[in-house]
Amino acid sequence: DIQMTQSPSTLSASVGDRVTITCRASQSISSWLAWYQQKPGKAPKLLIYKASSLESGVPSRFSGSGSGTEFTLTISSLQPDDFATYYCQQYNSYLITFGQGTRLEIK
Amino acid sequence: QVQLQESGPGLVKPSQTLSLTCTVSGGSISSGDYYWSWIRQPPGKGLEWIGYIYYSGSTYYNPSLKSRVTISVDTSKNQFSLKLSSVTAADTAVYYCARDNGIWGQGTLVTVSS
Repeated sequence: DIQMTQSPSTLSASVGDRVTITCRASQSISSWLAWYQQKPGKAPKLLIYKASSLESGVPSRFSGSGSGTEFTLTISSLQPDDFATYYCQQYNSYLITFGQGTRLEIK
Repeated sequence: QVQLQESGPGLVKPSQTLSLTCTVSGGSISSGDYYWSWIRQPPGKGLEWIGYIYYSGSTYYNPSLKSRVTISVDTSKNQFSLKLSSVTAADTAVYYCARDNGIWGQGTLVTVSS
């Protein structure tokens, strides 16, 4: 199985900050990586697919980069609505795996 | 616009089989090159992929659950289903159905308890 490791597990930041979340794969997954945002009691929402493609309707302050085994999600200027938990997901293998999540909290 | 909705019992007894259905509206489950997934999330924990059925009918399951999971499609009802056998308290979770990456149901909480 491909293991996905996110860092940090928790991130404290302020409105207006630029933040970056990292996701590492245990083997190359090319660009088959997605990022999700999840708020309490809600289903995950797709933000980024194929490592860097922005899902329709997602604000442009979200961006993704990387390929192979190392990937990043960047939020250029945090907004109050962005405080949530973020997950990466690989779909290179037919066995899909998620990262353990990064909780983004208000400093 | 395609929407997904999970349904099924919210309480299942230990050792029994958990059965959930995902109803697809706004599009046909048999059209397009899609995979139809089940994902779960134990209370306060992260997401765990359970498995999916591909549009061709092929199924792929999480190795840790493979011996207990069956995912199937009923094209006549535009639904796909999850069966998880021999459940324990560790199977208590919110269960989500999804199409590819981008379309998810709202989730349904299933509690395993006697």
